[in-house]
Amino acid sequence: SQQGEEDPQALSIQEGENATMNCSYKTSINNLQWYRQNSGRGLVHLILIRSNEREKHSGRLRVTLDTSKKSSSLLITASRAADTASYFCAANTGNQFYFGTGTSLTVIP
Amino acid sequence: NAGVTQTPKFQVLKTGQSMTLQCAQDMNHNSMYWYRQDPGMGLRLIYYSASEGTTDKGEVPNGYNVSRLNKREFSLRLESAAPSQTSVYFCASRLLELEQYFGPGTRLTVT
Repeated sequence: SQQGEEDPQALSIQEGENATMNCSYKTSINNLQWYRQNSGRGLVHLILIRSNEREKHSGRLRVTLDTSKKSSSLLITASRAADTASYFCAANTGNQFYFGTGTSLTVIP
Repeated sequence: NAGVTQTPKFQVLKTGQSMTLQCAQDMNHNSMYWYRQDPGMGLRLIYYSASEGTTDKGEVPNGYNVSRLNKREFSLRLESAAPSQTSVYFCASRLLELEQYFGPGTRLTVT
């Protein structure tokens, strides 16, 4: 299987704290994408980082990519209760996507 | 602009029955995808269509067939449903090398 893994599987933090989740993947990539999924809903795209980039920011999100280690991390700063969701990385190889197993984030108000 | 729509939202089948899951997008995207999501497994790609008229197998294609009817529509067919196909099915589309847009999902139970 080419499916990636995410760490931790579950994370619980207080509102205002930062949340960091990590992703490992198995294949060479064109880009690495992060998605959020609220309970019972479809996935929503958060941020895309290309294989030749090392770090990218978007609002409260910061993503890093290390292609030599085949790993990425997503940092959410100043978390809010509305950030409670599952977060998935997706390794894009061109036409195909390989998703990680997800991190379930709970932000306690 | 509805984005990606899927029908039905829920379905219960008996083992051996067949059904087609429908997906449509109104964003003029070239590529369309079908995934299944099982607890603790993340999403796994079943089939994809890089452009109208082409389809290719993903990671878990066994037991499924697809049709890219036109640029807007991409359907997934289960010819003889099995309990192992109980899952939530998501359709997605994307333009060129960018992000995917997902539909709301179809929750399928096979008894």
